[in-house]
Amino acid sequence: DSGVTQTPKHLITATGQRVTLRCSPRSGDLSVYWYQQSLDQGLQFLIQYYNGEERAKGNILERFSAQQFPDLHSELNLSSLELGDSALYFCASAVGAGDNNEQFFGPGTRLTVL
Amino acid sequence: QQQVKQSPQSLIVQKGGISIINCAYENTAFDYFPWYQQFPGKGPALLIAIRPDVSEKKEGRFTISFNKSAKQFSLHIMDSQPGDSATYFCAAISYSSASKIIFGSGTRLSIRP
Repeated sequence: DSGVTQTPKHLITATGQRVTLRCSPRSGDLSVYWYQQSLDQGLQFLIQYYNGEERAKGNILERFSAQQFPDLHSELNLSSLELGDSALYFCASAVGAGDNNEQFFGPGTRLTVL
Repeated sequence: QQQVKQSPQSLIVQKGGISIINCAYENTAFDYFPWYQQFPGKGPALLIAIRPDVSEKKEGRFTISFNKSAKQFSLHIMDSQPGDSATYFCAAISYSSASKIIFGSGTRLSIRP
């Protein structure tokens, strides 16, 4: 158990809908990263937050947004969902903002868009 | 788009054998090269990592070999065990790049008892 929690574990929704994925980092970790894992695109970095501020952006679509709250939990919002958004979404947390800090991954949320 | 190419896609090794997974990258701007292990239903977990100024790093049965001039790095698992059966991802991190971390496509490793 990495100490990172993600909810929900599974999510099934329809095209055009909006969903929110939630992540609670390990105690003491200030950084939260979001990743998408799909069969065709593999594992891709989406976005990083550090202590409430956006730190880095990867291949995140404009339909997706994220935020990190004062209690350091983070939410990933996916809107206008398309079939291709079906994937596993992982968050990871790390102590610091630096890229060589070990990231601890949560168990993921499996999103299915029908 | 910077790429990290990983091979093979899948690998079957007998128990006690050596598992070797290879990765190659295209851009010399990477600063850190981690390997992740992922079991079914779980998130990836950091296994071992190396910086480009080091040619080899060993942790227990796991070794990374790094060839900077060839822009290649590989993971060697010695005395492979059934518990090593998992998907392995190499990755490359650029401290100065907005895209941060680029993952290989993954290798599904199966260790036969």
